[in-house]
Amino acid sequence: GQQVQQSPTSLVLQEGENAELQCNFSTSLNSMQWFYQRPGGSLISVFYNPSGTKQSGRLTSTTVIKERRSSLHISSSQITDSGTYLCAMGLNMGYKLTFGTGTSLLVDP
Amino acid sequence: EAGVTQSPRYAVLQEGQAVSFWCDPISGHDTLYWYQQPRDQGPQLLVYFRDEAVIDNSQLPSDRFSAVRPKGTNSTLKIQSAKQGDTATYLCASSFPGTANTGQLYFGEGSKLTVL
Repeated sequence: GQQVQQSPTSLVLQEGENAELQCNFSTSLNSMQWFYQRPGGSLISVFYNPSGTKQSGRLTSTTVIKERRSSLHISSSQITDSGTYLCAMGLNMGYKLTFGTGTSLLVDP
Repeated sequence: EAGVTQSPRYAVLQEGQAVSFWCDPISGHDTLYWYQQPRDQGPQLLVYFRDEAVIDNSQLPSDRFSAVRPKGTNSTLKIQSAKQGDTATYLCASSFPGTANTGQLYFGEGSKLTVL
């Protein structure tokens, strides 16, 4: 079955609203990463966050390894935040990232 | 610093044709990865190299797909006799020494393949 489940599948916000994206893993992991992807664009690493909480500007990532979950919080969303957010986990051999199917975010003016 | 460079950005083929994708990783990155990303799905690893050696190609459809990295720098992914199911974006990524096992990857913009 699917090892990485992301929710919601898609999300529409009004500019200024907050967003909470979830990622759940079906197996133990030793690393995880959040990526951002524009349509037709490359994957850009947003957070490398094996555990705990990290913040960068309006973005906050929290990973709880023992609960096999990670979240990405976007505060005060902006139109330029629109795109797809993917989480990926690494197992014992961390290079072999397993990706979720992504959350498509649209921020309207 | 230049990022991961891929070409061509787009390719459209008829079934049965062949195509090659080229990747230039970030300078100094010893590990190079090829991922396949079908539309509306997450990327899936096809093959990865450390320097010129193939470390894992277990997910590469070996009958029609091949990948090389002869000098441990640039890499080529080739698809022979393409099928409609190969329609996807092919992503190249690289990582610098010591981080391959942590999964910190840098991706190129991808090569989008459409097989008609």
